[in-house]
Amino acid sequence: DVKVTQSSRYLVKRTGEKVFLECVQDMDHENMFWYRQDPGLGLRLIYFSYDVKMKEKGDIPEGYSVSREKKERFSLILESASTNQTSMYLCASTHATGTAAQINIQYFGAGTRLSVL
Amino acid sequence: AQSVSQHNHHVILSEAASLELGCNYSYGGTVNLFWYVQYPGQHLQLLLKYFSGDPLVKGIKGFEAEFIKSKFSFNLRKPSVQWSDTAEYFCAVNTIKAAGNKLTFGGGTRVLVKP
Repeated sequence: DVKVTQSSRYLVKRTGEKVFLECVQDMDHENMFWYRQDPGLGLRLIYFSYDVKMKEKGDIPEGYSVSREKKERFSLILESASTNQTSMYLCASTHATGTAAQINIQYFGAGTRLSVL
Repeated sequence: AQSVSQHNHHVILSEAASLELGCNYSYGGTVNLFWYVQYPGQHLQLLLKYFSGDPLVKGIKGFEAEFIKSKFSFNLRKPSVQWSDTAEYFCAVNTIKAAGNKLTFGGGTRVLVKP
């Protein structure tokens, strides 16, 4: 059973703080993703990583950065949190090679609900 | 860039009613199609998927979806819903050329099933 674990379910931070959201997967997946989920907007891709130390911007990378020092861990960083970054953040992972199911089905963590005051 | 549209933001229906959620996408090439579901307080999880072959696909919990290529649609259906189907449903698409197998999601449809 694939497990994607996000370190916090709820976080409350103040404007201007540096925020780290952590995600760990236990299935040796090469690809990892960070999304934010907002009502009516669905999930929007912030960043993804296809290998250690490799990253690509998604659709809404502004105000965020990421770090992937180990294959199993993918961190999302808010350098200076702002109120418009209040949202639910979801991490996901998948293989990079294999069957269609292995490379296309993303497995999600439970999410981190971040409030920036 | 590809986009995904879900026609309804909120749906309210009674148990045993039939459910159909619309999904349209904008990409003209070969696509993979997904429906994900998020039950209250739970992870987003895969409901069903279409990669190729029979355009009518069946998923978990009695759900099915039909891929109509000419209409760029992948509508989700269930003939008779239960209270436990209360959830938010997301349609998603990727293409075989999508770098890193990125998914594009629709805005989601919140479904409330009244007992």
